[in-house]
Amino acid sequence: TQLLEQSPQFLSIQEGENLTVYCNSSSVFSSLQWYRQEPGEGPVLLVTVVTGGEVKKLKRLTFQFGDARKDSSLHITAAQPGDTGLYLCCETSGSRLTFGEGTQLTVNP
Amino acid sequence: DVKVTQSSRYLVKRTGEKVFLECVQDMDHENMFWYRQDPGLGLRLIYFSYDVKMKEKGDIPEGYSVSREKKERFSLILESASTNQTSMYLCASSTFGAGHWIYGYTFGSGTRLTVV
Repeated sequence: TQLLEQSPQFLSIQEGENLTVYCNSSSVFSSLQWYRQEPGEGPVLLVTVVTGGEVKKLKRLTFQFGDARKDSSLHITAAQPGDTGLYLCCETSGSRLTFGEGTQLTVNP
Repeated sequence: DVKVTQSSRYLVKRTGEKVFLECVQDMDHENMFWYRQDPGLGLRLIYFSYDVKMKEKGDIPEGYSVSREKKERFSLILESASTNQTSMYLCASSTFGAGHWIYGYTFGSGTRLTVV
């Protein structure tokens, strides 16, 4: 089973700050997805990245897939309280997803 | 609006009870999954199913069983609930082939189960 490590585990910032969270693997990803889970809800898919070096943007969120496809990052610009949640990366292998433990982000007003 | 519906948001059961967690999806997805989510342990796969009447063990199947009699419904059964099964349970569904990694999983809102 591929091991996914996410860092930091917890992050608390003020509204308007920028932040980056990371997802690293012990081996090459076939493809990688990022989910956000708000309190009391299930995770919701944000993005899928497939190609090494790929960059995708979703409003203030920028997702990058490492050239070697063993790591990924999520950068949020000008964070807002609505960005608060658990950010999960997962690797897709066959029909199963393997999830990291997530980064718990709190954005304080 | 497509979705995965879990029958209960909160559930409190006694040790030793048989517990049924129900999940229904309206997307005609082939694949359905049950996870539990615990602080510090992330999401752990309990069971999954690729088709009606088909089931596969995930990473932590002990103490659980599942039933999939209809394509849209996937039930998780705790045969004899124990306190260490207190957790958030999440159901998810996905479609086959490239779809699952393009569209990902659709999750339900979760059932927070407390066993006392």
